[in-house]
Amino acid sequence: GAGVSQSPRYKVAKRGQDVALRCDPISGHVSLFWYQQALGQGPEFLTYFQNEAQLDKSGLPSDRFFAERPEGSVSTLKIQRTQQEDSAVYLCASSPNRGPNIQYFGAGTRLSVL
Amino acid sequence: GQQVMQIPQYQHVQEGEDFTTYCNSSTTLSNIQWYKQRPGGHPVFLIQLVKSGEVKKQKRLTFQFGEAKKNSSLHITATQTTDVGTYFCAGPQMGGNEKLTFGTGTRLTIIP
Repeated sequence: GAGVSQSPRYKVAKRGQDVALRCDPISGHVSLFWYQQALGQGPEFLTYFQNEAQLDKSGLPSDRFFAERPEGSVSTLKIQRTQQEDSAVYLCASSPNRGPNIQYFGAGTRLSVL
Repeated sequence: GQQVMQIPQYQHVQEGEDFTTYCNSSTTLSNIQWYKQRPGGHPVFLIQLVKSGEVKKQKRLTFQFGEAKKNSSLHITATQTTDVGTYFCAGPQMGGNEKLTFGTGTRLTIIP
């Protein structure tokens, strides 16, 4: 597609429920990033893939958060046993891993945990 | 860990006035990137500066990267209502991977 696509755009979950957020990067982009943005704050890094390899997961807040990119394209961020503090916008970005290496962001998934 | 601060946190200006936001990193950056996020939107890339002391212009926007590659600024001349949004600086740490550490952001509102 023309840009980074994320689904769903909005997700309401009951506390304790598992959720899965999907990211379709720009075709051909090697690098894929997940960020978490709380209301009124800047995006914070969660994890980073180069192709299918997860090179950095230092930003994942707990072991309830898990990300994968099995074929080096689409990525899924899974949150198990959601808590209220997980409520945020989850942003996915991709970059070509060449030249200026700009990150292009998707519209995000707004997660609300009740 | 790396921290990136921006000041001011909020700025309200009359349409036509100038606006500046300042960005300071606790560590040296390999490059600095600026993003604009409209209310309810996602970060949109504006520009990347790579060289120490670099200055770039985009129409009414002027971007600077400090000599030590730890600070940057964005200046908007003669603001317009379309400039409304939150401006973030972001950068990868020198010697690190591509992950971006975002600044705290400056939210700009325009009084028509």
